[in-house]
Amino acid sequence: GNSVTQMEGPVTLSEEAFLTINCTYTATGYPSLFWYVQYPGEGLQLLLKATKADDKGSNKGFEATYRKETTSFHLEKGSVQVSDSAVYFCALNDYKLSFGAGTTVTVRA
Amino acid sequence: NAGVTQTPKFQVLKTGQSMTLQCAQDMNHNSMYWYRQDPGMGLRLIYYSASEGTTDKGEVPNGYNVSRLNKREFSLRLESAAPSQTSVYFCASSERGLGEFFGPGTRLTVL
Repeated sequence: GNSVTQMEGPVTLSEEAFLTINCTYTATGYPSLFWYVQYPGEGLQLLLKATKADDKGSNKGFEATYRKETTSFHLEKGSVQVSDSAVYFCALNDYKLSFGAGTTVTVRA
Repeated sequence: NAGVTQTPKFQVLKTGQSMTLQCAQDMNHNSMYWYRQDPGMGLRLIYYSASEGTTDKGEVPNGYNVSRLNKREFSLRLESAAPSQTSVYFCASSERGLGEFFGPGTRLTVL
């Protein structure tokens, strides 16, 4: 079946540091891939998505590229801010979403 | 345009009590979902509804029932609550391939 594996956290960074969160997937066919973000006490928000190989999703300075050859969809941001502190979930979609376990990111001032 | 709304936001139950969590979406989406979120376990799908009039079990359906009342509303019922059902419950809706939109969650404690 479909599954998503993302790097374990927690991840702690200083402001303006570079952030990478690894995500790999196992799927039959060609699913769409997503990153969701959950701020403390809130629901999940769609951060970015990619629907086919080599697509790059981007939003709020975050980027991720759909890599079919490595079955990966790593999330990156070049310069994080304290407001980026959240839990990040990688997910893939065929008829429903399959989520990774989530990675907690804390950015210190 | 409120997106996905859930009620209540917080609930405390005693073991054996029943309750229904309500969810509504105003985006005209066909598919709706109920998840639970537990520490260290990510989100697990309880039930989903691919379209009005249909429902299917997800990963962890035991102890729950659902009703897709119409295209907008999808409710989750706990008939006899147990402490293992203490969790945060999220409702979501989607159209295929566009990603899911989540409600703000219901924090449920079963004593």
